[in-house]
Amino acid sequence: GNSVTQMEGPVTLSEEAFLTINCTYTATGYPSLFWYVQYPGEGLQLLLKATKADDKGSNKGFEATYRKETTSFHLEKGSVQVSDSAVYFCALSDLNFGNEKLTFGTGTRLTIIP
Amino acid sequence: DARVTQTPRHKVTEMGQEVTMRCQPILGHNTVFWYRQTMMQGLELLAYFRNRAPLDDSGMPKDRFSAEMPDATLATLKIQPSEPRDSAVYFCASGLRTTRDTGELFFGEGSRLTVL
Repeated sequence: GNSVTQMEGPVTLSEEAFLTINCTYTATGYPSLFWYVQYPGEGLQLLLKATKADDKGSNKGFEATYRKETTSFHLEKGSVQVSDSAVYFCALSDLNFGNEKLTFGTGTRLTIIP
Repeated sequence: DARVTQTPRHKVTEMGQEVTMRCQPILGHNTVFWYRQTMMQGLELLAYFRNRAPLDDSGMPKDRFSAEMPDATLATLKIQPSEPRDSAVYFCASGLRTTRDTGELFFGEGSRLTVL
């Protein structure tokens, strides 16, 4: 079955530091990959996505590249801000197998200190 | 600004009581999902619907949980009787499933349930 493994948290960084949150996946087909973000007290919001190998998703300074050879989709940002403090979820869906539900990782809590 | 609407936002109830959570998906979306979020288990899929038909409810305790879509604008998740272990945040999400879409889901703000 499909699964997503995410870097364990929590992660605490200083403002303007470089961020990497690791994500690897297992899927039977050719999934689409996503990063969702959850701010305190809110629902999940799509941060970025990639639908095929070597695609790069980007949004709000965050980037992630779909690496089929390493089955990875690591999230990066060059200079984090306090407002980036949130929980980040890596997820996949595999429409090729009629499996449209999102399979989520466990989430990584990120705290940015001024 | 289209969004998924969930009610109630917060619910405190006593063990054994019935709880109903409601969700209004984004107009035009044809898939609806119920997820439960807890600290211990993270995000768990409870059930999902396509065109109002239930496709997968394998994540849902059948003896006490039920999920329905009476019409395209309303999805419900019912717990009867509720137990303390049901305390969690319940999220509804909707999406548009076509032959080409990428499975993006739009989440509501969640219903936080506390069962005493």
